[in-house]
Formats: sequence, C-alpha cells, structure tokens
Amino acid sequence: QVQLLESGPGLVKPSQTLSLTCTVSGGSITSGDYYWSWIRQLRGKGLEWIGYMYDSGSTFYKPSLKSRITISLDTSKNQFSLKLSSVTAADTAVYYCARARNWNDVPYLDYWGQGTLVTVSS
Amino acid sequence: QSVLTQPPSVSGAPGQRVTISCSGSSSNIGAAYDVHWYQQLPGTVPKLLIYGNTNRPSGVPARFSGSKSGTSASLAITGLQAEDEADYYCQSYDNRLTGWLFGGGTKLTVL
Repeated sequence: QVQLLESGPGLVKPSQTLSLTCTVSGGSITSGDYYWSWIRQLRGKGLEWIGYMYDSGSTFYKPSLKSRITISLDTSKNQFSLKLSSVTAADTAVYYCARARNWNDVPYLDYWGQGTLVTVSS
Repeated sequence: QSVLTQPPSVSGAPGQRVTISCSGSSSNIGAAYDVHWYQQLPGTVPKLLIYGNTNRPSGVPARFSGSKSGTSASLAITGLQAEDEADYYCQSYDNRLTGWLFGGGTKLTVL
C-alpha cells in the first residue's frame, strides 16, 4: 500500500519561500509510469493542481504559478519536494502531495497524502 | 470561475438518484480528454471515485457511475445514502491552458 506524507513549516512569512516535502512509502518513486504531484486547496474552496514531476525528471507546472514554483525528486530518500517562492496570503492553503497514474494523457490521482495546512502570515 | 463548471450544490433524499454535471469546452472534455471524479468527505482527503470517465476503482460501490458525452461529463449516484454527503470534483486536461484542471466542486447534501 503506497502512502504519502507531507512535512514542512505550517507558517511562512510573506515574500518568503514555502518548502514542503512528501515522503513516499510502500513503493519507489522511480518505478512505474507515475506523476508525483502537488495539489492545494484554499480554505473552504476547491482543489487546485500546482504541478508535477514525472519520474524521468520532467516537470510540469500550473502556468500561473510557473515563475514561482519548483518541484524536485530526491530518489535516495524516496521523497519529492515543492518550493513556492514569494508567497502571499493568497497562497494560504492545505497542500496535498499525491501520486498520479497516467491514463490516456490525463493522469488520475490514486494516492494522496493527508494534507498540510500552510498559512502565510507575518 | 472554473474552466470545468460544476453546480455548486445538489441534494437528494436517501434512496434517490442524483447526478452531478461537469461542463467543459472544445479544449478539454470536448477534445476527447478523459474525466476523473473525486469524493471529499467532510474534513478528509479527496478520494478517487471514477477514472477514465466510467471506471470505478476497487472498493467503490456500483452505486457510483460516470459518463461522458460531447463537452460534458456526469457523475450519477443511485440509492443515495447519508454517507454520500460530500464534495465531488471532476478533473480533466485543457490543451489551451496546458494543464490539469479540477472543476469547482459540488456539495452533495443528503436530505
């Protein structure tokens, strides 16, 4: 059973960089046709895809966040990470890491982390 | 305003059938991109409910079904139960926005 667990600061100051790590257990992040993804959910709002990294090293980011976001893999630790720079209060959200499995060019998210609330505030 | 449009809320009595629509356009659902559905029970993590328009993952009851036609997709729930009260999201891809999309979500209330 694949499990994902987010970790990182729950409070980030405005203009600083939000950094989160997702630790994957029960499977290797280098195996299979998977997209290691970050999704966020603003308080009381819907889901928003942020971006993903394919296990070949390719990344794909939401266009509106592309200038501020970096997703990377650490295969030695079976982890992947999210960095979002120059944050504002609008970035306050629950951040989920998830595994996506490819399906006809539209991957679906089959395993999710528990989510972590990140608040941007001074 | 989401590119994939869902009704903000739907409701039904126990035992009834409800449908949740996901309306797109020629750059997403209408471009033959598949649709997936997720259920988010209150205070919990989203869970995959339907993938590839019509397929149910193991463990999802047959009361849940999906369909797709033209630029829209639908999720149907038959034999509504109190435990189905949740938020439901559709997900697809848009080739103009070049990215995955979620619908705005629909809150299902079981009366």
